[in-house]
Amino acid sequence: GDSVTQMEGPVTLSEEAFLTINCTYTATGYPSLFWYVQYPGEGLQLLLKATKADDKGSNKGFEATYRKETTSFHLEKGSVQVSDSAVYFCALGVRDDKIIFGKGTRLHILP
Amino acid sequence: GAVVSQHPSWVICKSGTSVKIECRSLDFQATTMFWYRQFPKQSLMLMATSNEGSKATYEQGVEKDKFLINHASLTLSTLTVTSAHPEDSSFYICSARTSGRRAQYFGPGTRLLVL
Repeated sequence: GDSVTQMEGPVTLSEEAFLTINCTYTATGYPSLFWYVQYPGEGLQLLLKATKADDKGSNKGFEATYRKETTSFHLEKGSVQVSDSAVYFCALGVRDDKIIFGKGTRLHILP
Repeated sequence: GAVVSQHPSWVICKSGTSVKIECRSLDFQATTMFWYRQFPKQSLMLMATSNEGSKATYEQGVEKDKFLINHASLTLSTLTVTSAHPEDSSFYICSARTSGRRAQYFGPGTRLLVL
């Protein structure tokens, strides 16, 4: 069945470090791919998305490229900030507009 | 815009009691609402999809008589956990979507602890 696997956290980095959070998926057809972020005490927010192969989603300095050949959608940011500390969820959108989430990766950025 | 609220944000109840969780779309009409639950260090798992004015569609393995969902208006959906047991303790999250748009907007979640 459809599923998402993302790297387990927590991930701890120093401010201005480079960030990669790996995400791979299994799906039939051509799903949309998402990264959601959940800041402490808040609801999930859509961070970025890509709807077809080779699309690159980007927002707030974060990027992820839809790689069909490797079934991956890794999240990257060149220089993280303390304010990026949150839980990040990789997800795919399947039929009937349902979303399947990964387990989430907690990110801690140290000043 | 596109704010979704949940109430309460956390609740503690005794085993055997029922608990109602509200999900509201504050600035848009939510024709569809989704209910998820999340166990510690696990994914959000979709429990059910509800469309305003019609019965909810439950995912496989979710007891519809245990988790009652009502979506009586375009801004409110409720999830009632009936005869709660400790294994129902979890984080419940709703999301809302408006007609014609695929984006889902998520509430902040409700943490339920059943003693």
